[in-house]
Amino acid sequence: QVQLVESGGGVVQPGTSLRLSCAASGVTFSTYPMHWVRQAPGKGLEWVAVISHDGGNEYYADSVKGRFTISRDNSKSTLYLQMHSLTVEDTGVYYCARDRLITRLFEDWGQGTLVTVSS
Amino acid sequence: SYVLTQPPSVSVAPGQTARLTCGGNNIESFGVHWYQQKSGQAPVLVVYDDSDRPSGIPERFSGSNSGNTATLTISRVEAGDEADYYCQVWDRNTDHYVFGTGTKVTVL
Repeated sequence: QVQLVESGGGVVQPGTSLRLSCAASGVTFSTYPMHWVRQAPGKGLEWVAVISHDGGNEYYADSVKGRFTISRDNSKSTLYLQMHSLTVEDTGVYYCARDRLITRLFEDWGQGTLVTVSS
Repeated sequence: SYVLTQPPSVSVAPGQTARLTCGGNNIESFGVHWYQQKSGQAPVLVVYDDSDRPSGIPERFSGSNSGNTATLTISRVEAGDEADYYCQVWDRNTDHYVFGTGTKVTVL
């Protein structure tokens, strides 16, 4: 059974940085692309970023490009999201999700970690 | 960027059929996936590639995709189906993943 556990969320001030982590188990982590998806309070789902299975390729939503960096450590089965220059619009629950290899969808999800950007 | 539009809400009586739409330009050229998100929980995949169901998802959930509209149909609606539902595609032109705006299903 695949388990994805996010951590690192919290309350931060605008303009600061934060790093999220997602620990995976029950799956051969190095085989799959991985994502971050976020959800602002009371709002819909927003895809944030994806990283290829080997870390060689990354893609970002326009809303975070240049401020966020997705990375992974396959030896630790862990996904990361480094966030800089945070704004109140970055507030929300951040989910990590495993991609299905051939069909580009979100196969498994973590329970999410809450990031609150507030002065 | 590619846009997917869903009606904000749908209300349905128990035992009836709910049809949730997802509109996008020439959406039939994309594989459409649907997620169910119950209050306070992570999303769960209920239909993929327009009309396939993951294991464990009831046959009451079905999907179709034609022209500019994809549809998720929930037959014999139950109280436990009350949730937000999101459609999703992969935009091959940008390598971005796109979610619809979401539909809240209320069971009367």
